[in-house]
Amino acid sequence: ELKVEQNPLFLSMQEGKNYTIYCNYSTTSDRLYWYRQDPGKSLESLFVLLSNGAVKQEGRLMASLDTKARLSTLHITAAVHDLSATYFCAAYHSGGSNYKLTFGKGTLLTVNP
Amino acid sequence: DAGVIQSPRHEVTEMGQEVTLRCKPISGHDYLFWYRQTMMRGLELLIYFNNNVPIDDSGMPEDRFSAKMPNASFSTLKIQPSEPRDSAVYFCASRVAGVETQYFGPGTRLLVL
Repeated sequence: ELKVEQNPLFLSMQEGKNYTIYCNYSTTSDRLYWYRQDPGKSLESLFVLLSNGAVKQEGRLMASLDTKARLSTLHITAAVHDLSATYFCAAYHSGGSNYKLTFGKGTLLTVNP
Repeated sequence: DAGVIQSPRHEVTEMGQEVTLRCKPISGHDYLFWYRQTMMRGLELLIYFNNNVPIDDSGMPEDRFSAKMPNASFSTLKIQPSEPRDSAVYFCASRVAGVETQYFGPGTRLLVL
């Protein structure tokens, strides 16, 4: 059974600082997803990482994937208040035609002035 | 495109009552997913369909839960009878083959008293 673990689960940071959220998964998966959820809202897709070494960037967020280490990271550069949200990573079971996503517990990010 | 549409957005019911949640996927999407989100268990996949056919229902908690997809533009998730532990936010998501991203609906907040 695929397990996805995120850390930290809670992150409070100051504006302007940098930080990284980590996502580990337990079995082979070659696709990793990052989503953002604002309080009381739905999930918004941020990044889809499809291969080992994949790196994607959007604004102050950058995601990377290391399939050998079974690790993805979401790096936040010079945080601003608008980035406050819960961030989820999710991985697919690899192989076959099963499209079942397993989500991590989420990281609640609070950016303080 | 209007995105994934869910109804109702909020539902309050009493224990023992039947609850029906509805979802309209994005036009042209051939995969539909039902998720449940709670504080304790996080985001869990309940069931998903491909071309209206249920593919994996291993996440459906018990026989009180059932899901149908009578056509490409409509799906229901039914709980009968409902119990207080079913209180959660239920999300519907859809995707199209060949595109990795799942697009989530706004969710239905269910409270069973």
